[in-house]
Amino acid sequence: DIQMTQSPSTLSASVGDRVTITCRASQSISNWLAWYQQSPGKAPKLLIYKASSLESGVPSRFSGSGSGTEFTLTISSLQPDDFATYYCQQYSGYSRTFGQGTKVEIK
Amino acid sequence: EVQLVQSGAEVKKPGESLKISCKGSGYRFTHYWIGWVRQMPGKGLEWMGIIYPGDSEIRYSPSFQGQVTISADKSINTAYLQWSSLRASDTAMYYCARHTTAADIYDAFDIWGQGTMVTVSS
Repeated sequence: DIQMTQSPSTLSASVGDRVTITCRASQSISNWLAWYQQSPGKAPKLLIYKASSLESGVPSRFSGSGSGTEFTLTISSLQPDDFATYYCQQYSGYSRTFGQGTKVEIK
Repeated sequence: EVQLVQSGAEVKKPGESLKISCKGSGYRFTHYWIGWVRQMPGKGLEWMGIIYPGDSEIRYSPSFQGQVTISADKSINTAYLQWSSLRASDTAMYYCARHTTAADIYDAFDIWGQGTMVTVSS
């Protein structure tokens, strides 16, 4: 299985901050990477696919970059609805895997 | 509207069997891979496997192979996740989710069900 490691596990930030979350793959996955946002009690929501493509309807303050083994999700100006947990997911291998999650908390 | 609607919460005893469902609507059900994702209480997301309802091709995560069975009935646009003998460690929220692009096996999940909470307790 391809292992996905996110950092940090928890991030404390304020409204308006620029936030970056990193996801590393244990082997190259090209750009077969997605980012999801999950708010408490809700199903995950797709934000980014193919590492950098913004899902329809997702605010442009979210952006993704990277290829190979290192990827980032950036929120350019954190908004109140953005305090949630974020997961990366690789879909390159036979079996797919999620990162362990990054919780974005209010500072 | 494209949506996945899952069956309701279940409370079961260890050793019992269970089959939960995920009904797709608003799109050509047979043309999109559907997956199952586990989320244990307070924990992260785990990819369990995917099925292509058009021909019932299935891929399992090695972690879940042999522990669960994924299936689909294309005549009623429904995918299933089942257990033959539940354990307390199967207690979790289970989500079904659809791939973004028709027939694309290498894809993210864009449409998610609301989740089915399964509680296994004696």
